[in-house]
Order: sequence, then structure tokens, then C-alpha cells
Amino acid sequence: AQSVAQPEDQVNVAEGNPLTVKCTYSVSGNPYLFWYVQYPNRGLQFLLKYITGDNLVKGSYGFEAEFNKSQTSFHLKKPSALVSDSALYFCAVRDDNYGQNFVFGPGTRLSVLP
Amino acid sequence: GAVVSQHPSWVICKSGTSVKIECRSLDFQATTMFWYRQFPKQSLMLMATSNEGSKATYEQGVEKDKFLINHASLTLSTLTVTSAHPEDSSFYICSARGGQGPYEQYFGPGTRLTVT
Repeated sequence: AQSVAQPEDQVNVAEGNPLTVKCTYSVSGNPYLFWYVQYPNRGLQFLLKYITGDNLVKGSYGFEAEFNKSQTSFHLKKPSALVSDSALYFCAVRDDNYGQNFVFGPGTRLSVLP
Repeated sequence: GAVVSQHPSWVICKSGTSVKIECRSLDFQATTMFWYRQFPKQSLMLMATSNEGSKATYEQGVEKDKFLINHASLTLSTLTVTSAHPEDSSFYICSARGGQGPYEQYFGPGTRLTVT
């Protein structure tokens, strides 16, 4: 079965500092990996995805993520955090061996302090 | 980009009544739609998957008679919470996908349901 772990419930970072939100996954087939961001009382906004190709994926709002197959990780990163990046971040995986459903991680709340 | 809308964005209803939530794909045809439920400070839990013109497939533990899903067209899916109770209060999010392959899903803005 597929699963996603986000080991940190909360990440605090000072504005201007680099940020990392961690994600590890488990699938039996090829992983399709996604990051979404959710602001209060809003739906999910797509940030980026890894399907195949270059392990470093660049997405919206300056975010990027690196796919590491040996460590089964897909950590989200940004070189310089903004206060407006404060939100809830979800990592998700699809494994086409199990159809087309997403499995979401538990979410990580990012707080960027001014 | 693809846009998914939900209506209403929030609703308050009395216990025992039914509530219908609409999910529309505005600029693409959604062959598959998904309904999620999100409790405060928790992740999204998939409730059901529906393909246009077919009966929805419910996840284990989700009462199909309580959460009625209709996907009558390629741009509209509805979720009806029947005989709502306070424990049904939650944030409901729909998502839509068009075409085949590993495309990202497009999410609606969510509907907050409060049952009093």
C-alpha cells in the first residue's frame, strides 16, 4: 500500500532564511509526487510535481523539491522564506499500481517569522 | 490553469436536514471527481471517487446512503449530506481530474459545513 509521511507537524523559520519541509513516501510502483499548499479555510493549491526526469523540480512561488529515490524522499525547499509562505503544506503520492487515487501526508504547518 | 469551483463556500444547517454541495470544473471536462473530508488540523481523507455517468466508489467506512454523490455531467458533481448531524460538521473539498495519465488534480476551494 502507498503511504506518505511528513515527520514534522510544525516548522518555524525566520523570514529570509531557507526552509525545508520534509516528505517521505512508500509505494510499490513508480511514484508520482506532489506538493500542495493550503491557506486557512481554502482549498489546496498545486505547487509542483515529480513525474519523471530531473530529480530537482521547480514549482510555483519559488518553491522546489528534490526527488531522492534511494531515500524515498521528496522534500520541499525554498531558498528564502517569506511571511506569506506561512500555511499548511501537504505532500501527496500517486502509485498507478493502485489506480489513480492520491494519498496525502498529514500536513506540515509552516510558520515564517518576521 | 484549470479551475474548480464549489458552492456554497460555507453552510449552516440544522440537525436532521440535508445539504447539497456542488463541485464544478469551469474550463475542462472532469472525467473523474473526488470528494474529500478534512477535520481541523488534519489531512484530507478521501471519501469517494466518481466517474461521469457511473456510480461513485466509496472508501471504506464512508456511508454511501448518508453521503450521496452524483456525477451527472463532465463538469458537475454533487455531494448531498443526508440527515446531517453535528458530527458531519467538517470541511469538504472536491477535486477534479481530466484525461489520463499522472496529471495533478485540481482542487476546489472547499465548503465548510456546520450542523447545529
